[in-house]
Amino acid sequence: NAGVTQTPKFQVLKTGQSMTLQCAQDMNHNSMYWYRQDPGMGLRLIYYSASEGTTDKGEVPNGYNVSRLNKREFSLRLESAAPSQTSVYFCASSEWVRAGGPKETQYFGPGTRLLVL
Amino acid sequence: DAKTTQPPSMDCAEGRAANLPCNHSTISGNEYVYWYRQIHSQGPQYIIHGLKNNETNEMASLIITEDRKSSTLILPHATLRDTAVYYCIVRSLYNAGNMLTFGGGTRLMVKP
Repeated sequence: NAGVTQTPKFQVLKTGQSMTLQCAQDMNHNSMYWYRQDPGMGLRLIYYSASEGTTDKGEVPNGYNVSRLNKREFSLRLESAAPSQTSVYFCASSEWVRAGGPKETQYFGPGTRLLVL
Repeated sequence: DAKTTQPPSMDCAEGRAANLPCNHSTISGNEYVYWYRQIHSQGPQYIIHGLKNNETNEMASLIITEDRKSSTLILPHATLRDTAVYYCIVRSLYNAGNMLTFGGGTRLMVKP
């Protein structure tokens, strides 16, 4: 049971290049998320997918697109990378648990460190 | 979601209890208090959450004041591996996207 996995771990891009960050979870969760974390800051939500087939914008969606390929996989695409997108990107997944009171816990992947020159 | 205020940093001696405070004076009735931590360079890790009652699990205890305007996360016997940034997050479980709004957090340094 690997939890949430992300690829690649590190990436260096030149301004204007494109790339796709991959995320997969093996916990059969319905919801998946993409966050970014800039140095010394908390995480900010880019996009989320409440269930397979749906995606919605989060707090900072500009410059990004997402695809919920299936229940397991949620990818984040940078069409034309900019230096302002230099950050650490975290993917997360979650599931609602109703028994014993509502609980929704997000499980995070190890992150992708992206540098845009 | 309501805003939280945490001290930027704290120290704790190894083996002692670490008490991390959080103020959330604008919390509303349907909002929960969640705690996550982030060990250097890793993804955030869930610790505990509660609504109004005190909660305990294998990692920590959460004490919420009766008026729910503040809470304290307690790590009963801190170890060096507990050195991390701890985030107190107030959230409704029914908001759009179920997003976690991370503030600055408290950087806990556990010292030998």
